[in-house]
Amino acid sequence: NAGVTQTPKFQVLKTGQSMTLQCAQDMNHEYMSWYRQDPGMGLRLIHYSVGAGITDQGEVPNGYNVSRSTTEDFPLRLLSAAPSQTSVYFCASSYGRTSSYNEQFFGPGTRLTVL
Amino acid sequence: AQTVTQSQPEMSVQEAETVTLSCTYDTSENNYYLFWYKQPPSRQMILVIRQEAYKQQNATENRFSVNFQKAAKSFSLKISDSQLGDTAMYFCALPLRGAQKLVFGQGTRLTINP
Repeated sequence: NAGVTQTPKFQVLKTGQSMTLQCAQDMNHEYMSWYRQDPGMGLRLIHYSVGAGITDQGEVPNGYNVSRSTTEDFPLRLLSAAPSQTSVYFCASSYGRTSSYNEQFFGPGTRLTVL
Repeated sequence: AQTVTQSQPEMSVQEAETVTLSCTYDTSENNYYLFWYKQPPSRQMILVIRQEAYKQQNATENRFSVNFQKAAKSFSLKISDSQLGDTAMYFCALPLRGAQKLVFGQGTRLTINP
């Protein structure tokens, strides 16, 4: 098992550019999510998905789009990058359809800089 | 709203010492989980220890243990016999009610000095 993989590891964008951060998992997890990590603020939830075809907003969704066409993949799209989106982005996955909490597995992160 | 607060931005101890990281939280739930995650310089998020609120006994994983005070909504992490490899950011986290979503504290940067 590769676990949760993210690409790219690093990315520099100019303001207004668009890009997609890729996330994939091979554990057949139903639940996937995206977090951003900023200094002094911990990780904050951007978007999440409880299964293929189902997505919802988290705490800080503005400026980001997601889709979930397969169980394995959960890409995060920045349509028009802004300097405020400079951050480290983490994708996570877990078994989802239970009432109790399941351990989330995190990807290695993508460091994004928007100039 | 569920919140998690870590009031120690940075801590530094000598190797082999014991160190305690603090975390307080707020939730209206009676049964929930609490977690400590470690983030070394590699950036990888690693689950260190978990505590279930309905369990009276504090969780322990080798050199890592927690002091869970449910009434005070306090969840501290104790690292015994600290090692250089313990140098990392440590995050306290609480799942949102009925969901797989996590609310994180601001983090504590722990440095173990030789």
